[in-house]
Amino acid sequence: GQQLNQSPQSMFIQEGEDVSMNCTSSSIFNTWLWYKQEPGEGPVLLIALYKAGELTSNGRLTAQFGITRKDSFLNISASIPSDVGIYFCAGPHSGNTPLVFGKGTRLSVIA
Amino acid sequence: ETGVTQTPRHLVMGMTNKKSLKCEQHLGHNAMYWYKQSAKKPLELMFVYSLEERVENNSVPSRFSPECPNSSHLFLHLHTLQPEDSALYLCASSQGEGPGGTDTQYFGPGTRLTVL
Repeated sequence: GQQLNQSPQSMFIQEGEDVSMNCTSSSIFNTWLWYKQEPGEGPVLLIALYKAGELTSNGRLTAQFGITRKDSFLNISASIPSDVGIYFCAGPHSGNTPLVFGKGTRLSVIA
Repeated sequence: ETGVTQTPRHLVMGMTNKKSLKCEQHLGHNAMYWYKQSAKKPLELMFVYSLEERVENNSVPSRFSPECPNSSHLFLHLHTLQPEDSALYLCASSQGEGPGGTDTQYFGPGTRLTVL
C-alpha cells in the first residue's frame, strides 16, 4: 500500500531553535497536508499544499511541496514550548482516494 | 474549535459491553470518516462515508459497525471488543467532492477507548 515516510521520528530541541522535518513517498502526490496533534486531541490542519514547488507559510510555520511531487518539508522557526506535539504529513494517493498519513514526527521543546 | 465534535471523550468498557461513539460535524461537509490511532502506528482509516453512503471499509472487523444517518452525524457502534481495540478513535469530515473525498479533512478531538 501507499506509504509516507516521515523523518525524523522524534526531535528534542531547545526553545528558540528552528526545526525542520520532512515527508517522502515513492509515488507522486498531488496534495500535501501537514497536521499537528497535541496529547489527547485530534490532528489539526496546519498547512495545505496543492501545487508542486509551492511554498506556504502560517505564522512561524513554512511548508513546501517538493518539485518532484514525492516530498514535502515543514519548518518551524523560533520554536516555543507550545509547539510540542506530533506532526503528521498526509496526502491522497491518487484520484478520489482517502488520505494516507505518515507515522509522525514527535517534537519536544525544552524551555 | 474545529467544527467536529465527538462524544464521549473517554470510554472504558468490558469485552461484553455494547457502546456507541458519536461524531457530529458543523461544517456543512459531505464526507465523514472514522480512524483508529494506536500508539506508535500511523492513523488507520476504518470507514468512509460520502453523502451518507459507505464508500470504503478497510477490512475492519464486524465488531465495529458504523452508521451515518445524515451528512452531519456519524456513529461507531461497538460490541464484543477485544483489549487490542483500545485506542484513540478519531472522526473527521471533508467537503467530499467525490467518492472517498480527497479534499482536506478536519478532525474531531477523538474518543479514548479502553477495553478491559
